[in-house]
Amino acid sequence: QKEVEQNSGPLSVPEGAIASLNCTYSDRVSQSFFWYRQYSGKSPELIMSIYSNGDKEDGRFTAQLNKASQYVSLLIRDSQPSDSATYLCAVISGGGSNYKLTFGKGTLLTVNP
Amino acid sequence: ETGVTQSPTHLIKTRGQQVTLRCSSQSGHNTVSWYQQALGQGPQFIFQYYREEENGRGNFPPRFSGLQFPNYSSELNVNALELDDSALYLCASSSDQNQPQHFGDGTRLSIL
Repeated sequence: QKEVEQNSGPLSVPEGAIASLNCTYSDRVSQSFFWYRQYSGKSPELIMSIYSNGDKEDGRFTAQLNKASQYVSLLIRDSQPSDSATYLCAVISGGGSNYKLTFGKGTLLTVNP
Repeated sequence: ETGVTQSPTHLIKTRGQQVTLRCSSQSGHNTVSWYQQALGQGPQFIFQYYREEENGRGNFPPRFSGLQFPNYSSELNVNALELDDSALYLCASSSDQNQPQHFGDGTRLSIL
């Protein structure tokens, strides 16, 4: 089982719709979770961080974390063509000298005008 | 606030050579991590440095090594380059090990 799994997509949604991106992780003691956006040819850009169960909202973005199910998601409301990018889920496990941050493969999102 | 800067932007090397990539962390950040990103893949964690000590390492061979300096800038060294080392190398800094990391623009390394 891969440590962090995402649907590779592509995920295609019309402009104005809600885009839902999902991520599962295997290390039950993981404690920090992040969503990054990466445009083609660019470096990843942090969108959201979430550390405790529940929802966290920031503008059009909502991150959801369920540690019991080892599941984290990102909802993008009122999707815009400029949201078209690859979305990367990242999970921190371990600490100190055992620190490890693992990225999923990413989900390619296309928002159609 | 100065962001994460990496140099060089692009680099071409041949098999067996050695390379050094450089990274200046964001102002106020003392933790630097390095990643390798192949085309179509997510970034793969190479290692992290905190206060000049290696503080976590991914599944990369010992020919991948690094340094962090007192000003928190960092180097990634790769010896005996192989064709599969061709990738985008990303540096990211954070204010603490568990805080969000902010990425530089990366160095595109091509091995011929």
